Amino acid sequence: AQTVTQSQPEMSVQEAETVTLSCTYDTSESDYYLFWYKQPPSRQMILVIRQEAYKQQNATENRFSVNFQKAAKSFSLKISDSQLGDAAMYFCAYRSAIGSGGSNYKLTFGKGTLLTVNP
Amino acid sequence: DTEVTQTPKHLVMGMTNKKSLKCEQHMGHRAMYWYKQKAKKPPELMFVYSYEKLSINESVPSRFSPECPNSSLLNLHLHALQPEDSALYLCASSRVQLSYNEQFFGPGTRLTVL
Repeated sequence: AQTVTQSQPEMSVQEAETVTLSCTYDTSESDYYLFWYKQPPSRQMILVIRQEAYKQQNATENRFSVNFQKAAKSFSLKISDSQLGDAAMYFCAYRSAIGSGGSNYKLTFGKGTLLTVNP
Repeated sequence: DTEVTQTPKHLVMGMTNKKSLKCEQHMGHRAMYWYKQKAKKPPELMFVYSYEKLSINESVPSRFSPECPNSSLLNLHLHALQPEDSALYLCASSRVQLSYNEQFFGPGTRLTVL
């Protein structure tokens, strides 16, 4: 079974600075998807960024980028120019197939990293 | 429309009550999910519906009964719940295609069982 580990329960960053959240995972699959989700205090889970394992290029979405190291099974999230609105719980997630038929997927989440942004 | 809506936002119920949670999406997604999230924990998958059929039940107690009346609507019927069932219940939806099926989440229903 896949496992996802986020070793930093809490992180803090100064506004406008850069912060990196770490995530490692364990899998025997060769093709898979990884995600970072953000859950602000208002509760709605929002997708931040995704990475397809077969793509060597690291994904980037505006101020958010990942450092995907497939051999090391590492998937860290870098937030540049941090803003107050970035404060949230961040979950790393691995998408895996479940059941038979190959068309059902589940997300396995890490325990999350609570990011505080200081003004 | 890229939104998943959930009603009610908050629900308080006694252990003998019967209530229902509702989830709706109009993105044409044919996979819908129920998750349970306890405070400061990650979401845990409960059920997966694919093409309006229950395809995955993650060993959820029978006091939780899901229903998918059509491709846009997902319900979770609650009966004889326990206080430990108090949690945030999240609904999500996604496409079913193999290559790309990002899950979109609703804001959740905060359930308190007295």
